[in-house]
Amino acid sequence: AQSVTQPDIHITVSEGASLELRCNYSYGATPYLFWYVQSPGQGLQLLLKYFSGDTLVQGIKGFEAEFKRSQSSFNLRKPSVHWSDAAEYFCAVGDYSGGGADGLTFGKGTHLIIQP
Amino acid sequence: EPEVTQTPSHQVTQMGQEVILRCVPISNHLYFYWYRQILGQKVEFLVSFYNNEISEKSEIFDDQFSVERPDGSNFTLKIRSTKLEDSAMYFCASCPGGLRYEQYFGPGTRLTVT
Repeated sequence: AQSVTQPDIHITVSEGASLELRCNYSYGATPYLFWYVQSPGQGLQLLLKYFSGDTLVQGIKGFEAEFKRSQSSFNLRKPSVHWSDAAEYFCAVGDYSGGGADGLTFGKGTHLIIQP
Repeated sequence: EPEVTQTPSHQVTQMGQEVILRCVPISNHLYFYWYRQILGQKVEFLVSFYNNEISEKSEIFDDQFSVERPDGSNFTLKIRSTKLEDSAMYFCASCPGGLRYEQYFGPGTRLTVT
């Protein structure tokens, strides 16, 4: 069974500084990987996705993520954070080996705090 | 831009009562899902639905739960006899299919069982 680990429960970053949120997955084949963001009291918004091809993927709001098969990682990055980026970030993995879009497995999330 | 919508936004019910949570997935999407998030915990998959039947379900999705797509646009989750531990945020999601596997989530329904 697949699993996702987000080792950082909380991260505090100064506004304007760079950001990297870590995500490691456990999955037998090539996974489908996602990052979602959840603002307080809101639903989950898709930031970006990786299915295949270029291992560096661009998303919305200036985020990018890099898939590294050798490290089983899919870390999220942003060169300069804004106060509005404060939120909960979830990494998720999908299994589509059966030909269908099965349910996602989520990590526990990383709470991002932005310092002025 | 099309969105997944969910109603109600908040539902309060007494233990043992039946509740139905409603979702309208994005039009033309083929796969539909329910997830839940207990306060402060991670998002957990409940069930996926494709071609008018359940395609996958987790161990959380026991006999107390059922899903239905009654009219080609709505997608519902029914909990037959609610328990205190069913209190959570319930998210509906849909996916285009056809080699596009990203899932789009609704804003959620907060279920409070008293």
